[in-house]
Amino acid sequence: SQTIHQWPATLVQPVGSPLSLECTVEGTSNPNLYWYRQAAGRGLQLLFYSVGIGQISSEVPQNLSASRPQDRQFILSSKKLLLSDSGFYLCAWSGLAGPSYEQYFGPGTRLTVT
Amino acid sequence: GDSVTQMEGPVTLSEEAFLTINCTYTATGYPSLFWYVQYPGEGLQLLLKATKADDKGSNKGFEATYRKETTSFHLEKGSVQVSDSAVYFCALPPLDDYKLSFGAGTTVTVRA
Repeated sequence: SQTIHQWPATLVQPVGSPLSLECTVEGTSNPNLYWYRQAAGRGLQLLFYSVGIGQISSEVPQNLSASRPQDRQFILSSKKLLLSDSGFYLCAWSGLAGPSYEQYFGPGTRLTVT
Repeated sequence: GDSVTQMEGPVTLSEEAFLTINCTYTATGYPSLFWYVQYPGEGLQLLLKATKADDKGSNKGFEATYRKETTSFHLEKGSVQVSDSAVYFCALPPLDDYKLSFGAGTTVTVRA
């Protein structure tokens, strides 16, 4: 069966520090991968998605970036964190895009920027 | 573009009460429809889905019927428990895109 891992689970970082969040998927090949952010009490905001190694699409301009160095690894990074980067970051994967394929989410990383 | 509109809440209920969360959609074609649930401090889990018109998805006592004529996919549960306290998201996958369109989420609190 497929599983998705995220780490760290929680992170407290000062403003201006770098960020690296990692997501890995097991039990499937060539997944579509997604990064979402969920601000406190808010809905989901899609940040990035990837349909293959090295292929990243950005949904919103910001100081975050994403990379996919391996088929089942997706990394979210920042060179300098802002207070507004605080939130709950969720990674997700899906099989094929289209009308029937749902996304499966990881446990999330709670980021607090102080 | 394709989108979902969801009752935002918050919703507060007593145990054993009836729960309904409204979700309507706008889409080209007839996509699958999903309900996700997010328990406190966790990621989202797929709660149920329906892949075509008149399908009924069900799981954990929750049900939702894909109504093409009203473009709706309302979530219902006949008798909620405290453990059903969570945020519920309606979602729709566009036919020609990789992104799910999520509703705004409905926070449900069930009191004992």
